[in-house]
Amino acid sequence: DIQVTQSPSTLSASVGDRVTITCRASQSINNWLAWYQQKPGKAPKLLIYTASNLESGVPSRFSGSGSGTEFTLTISNLQPDDFATYYCQQYYTYLYTFGQGTKLEIK
Amino acid sequence: EVQLVESGGGLIQPGGSLRLSCAASGFTLSSYVMNWVRQAPGKGLEWVSYISGSASTIHYSDSVKGRFTISRDNAKNSLSLQMNSLRAEDTAVYFCVREDYGLDVWGQGTRVTVSS
Repeated sequence: DIQVTQSPSTLSASVGDRVTITCRASQSINNWLAWYQQKPGKAPKLLIYTASNLESGVPSRFSGSGSGTEFTLTISNLQPDDFATYYCQQYYTYLYTFGQGTKLEIK
Repeated sequence: EVQLVESGGGLIQPGGSLRLSCAASGFTLSSYVMNWVRQAPGKGLEWVSYISGSASTIHYSDSVKGRFTISRDNAKNSLSLQMNSLRAEDTAVYFCVREDYGLDVWGQGTRVTVSS
């Protein structure tokens, strides 16, 4: 199985900051990686697919990059609505795996 | 409006069975791969199962293989997850999820609690 390691597990930041979350795969997954945002008590929301493609309706302050085994999610100009938990997910193989999650907190 | 609505969750004793259902609306179900993803209380997301549009390809996570069965009825716009031999560690919110590029449409989830 492909393991996906996400870091950091928690991140403290302020409104207006730029933050980066990293996801590393245990083997190459080409660009078959997605990023999700989840708020408490809600279903996850797709932000980025195939590593760098912005889902329709997602603000352009969200961006994704990377290929192979290392990927990043960057959020520029943090807004109050962005404080949530973020997950990466590989879908290179059918045993899909998620990262452990990054909780983005207000500093 | 594209929507997925899960039902069938509840409290069940260890070793018992439960069948989850997911009603799809606003899109043609047969055109999409569907998945079940779960989230244990206070924990992260765990992929559970995958079914192709025609049901010709099915996959399960190792943690549920042999106990859970995914199925779909495209004519009725529905997806199901039959869960047998339930264990305490199956306690979670179960999400029905459409797959396009990534997991793009999620239901609100249905809670399953396995406890005596």
